[in-house]
Amino acid sequence: GAVVSQHPSWVICKSGTSVKIECRSLDFQATTMFWYRQFPKQSLMLMATSNEGSKATYEQGVEKDKFLINHASLTLSTLTVTSAHPEDSSFYICSARKGGSAYNEQFFGPGTRLTVL
Amino acid sequence: GNSVTQMEGPVTLSEEAFLTINCTYTATGYPSLFWYVQYPGEGLQLLLKATKADDKGSNKGFEATYRKETTSFHLEKGSVQVSDSAVYFCALGGTSYGKLTFGQGTILTVHP
Repeated sequence: GAVVSQHPSWVICKSGTSVKIECRSLDFQATTMFWYRQFPKQSLMLMATSNEGSKATYEQGVEKDKFLINHASLTLSTLTVTSAHPEDSSFYICSARKGGSAYNEQFFGPGTRLTVL
Repeated sequence: GNSVTQMEGPVTLSEEAFLTINCTYTATGYPSLFWYVQYPGEGLQLLLKATKADDKGSNKGFEATYRKETTSFHLEKGSVQVSDSAVYFCALGGTSYGKLTFGQGTILTVHP
């Protein structure tokens, strides 16, 4: 199969602190990974596209200095929420695409619930 | 830009009932269309897809046909089971890095 994991599955932090979320492709290499944000009862919103070894491409309206993305290896991408505030509380989901083609299937992680107090 | 609109839920059905979840889209070019399913506590899984007009995607008894003339990709199943209870997302994929645009999701609950 093609399994993607996320860690942690949930995290609670104080306002002003930074939180790192990991996304790993467990049994395949992923040149490209994607980070999404999901609000309650709303759709997934693409935040950024992460390519191994290069800078992430952020969607319009997403602050790149607040949501730091690193894709240092073919199996790991990290999202760091810097100086988190209550409005950053959300469900963060990553996906990893198998292979290099834009038409290849994306495999999704189970998500990370972030709560900022 | 691209957008996807799904019928609002939640949808509640009895086992063996017929299911339709409507999905319409707006896109430039010729996108691929997808249905994803999210079971409680799990990540999204690809349910089916169609890559060009008039294609029919099917899997696990679910079907959807890519209708370019009506810009639709409605999900159907003839006889739902309790195990089909989940959240269903319609999505379209552009060619730029394979980015996906999702609908808002439809919660389906099937009662015995």
